[in-house]
Amino acid sequence: RKEVEQDPGPFNVPEGATVAFNCTYSNSASQSFFWYRQDCRKEPKLLMSVYSSGNEDGRFTAQLNRASQYISLLIRDSKLSDSATYLCVVNLQTGANNLFFGTGTRLTVIP
Amino acid sequence: DTEVTQTPKHLVMGMTNKKSLKCEQHMGHRAMYWYKQKAKKPPELMFVYSYEKLSINESVPSRFSPECPNSSLLNLHLHALQPEDSALYLCASRPGVGNTIYFGEGSWLTVV
Repeated sequence: RKEVEQDPGPFNVPEGATVAFNCTYSNSASQSFFWYRQDCRKEPKLLMSVYSSGNEDGRFTAQLNRASQYISLLIRDSKLSDSATYLCVVNLQTGANNLFFGTGTRLTVIP
Repeated sequence: DTEVTQTPKHLVMGMTNKKSLKCEQHMGHRAMYWYKQKAKKPPELMFVYSYEKLSINESVPSRFSPECPNSSLLNLHLHALQPEDSALYLCASRPGVGNTIYFGEGSWLTVV
């Protein structure tokens, strides 16, 4: 079983739509969680960390459900510039190789 | 401001060439990473350096040879690569094992 599972999409949504991505993780010892955004032919960039109480940054909301072992990312009022691949990243509590990446979810926002 | 810089941005090399990818960060991060990324796949871990010592080698072929000359620099030496090694090579760093990881812009490698 993979450490992190993520729906690869693609998600094609119209401008202004709300879209949500989920990511599940298998190890209950996972400590910290992140969403990264990767544009085509660019490096992954941190979008936001995910906190236990949930957190919001403008149109983006991240949630963590430890009981069900999943994290989510909600994008409201989608913009064309939101088109990218969104990677969830899970950090285990221990171990030198303790970062695990989801496969990424491809989002295309359509005019 | 977080910054990991990688050179070169693009590299084309023949299968008999020897070349190197370079990475630099001046954020005082003690963990540095090399990842390989193929199209439509997530980054795949190759090597981890922690406090300038190699702590992880994810069964990477010996034609890839990492080097960490000091706490700010990380190199990846390439020799006798295969066409299937063509990919985006990402360097990354982070302050510690629980923290956010920051990626460089990557080096696009094409092996011909």
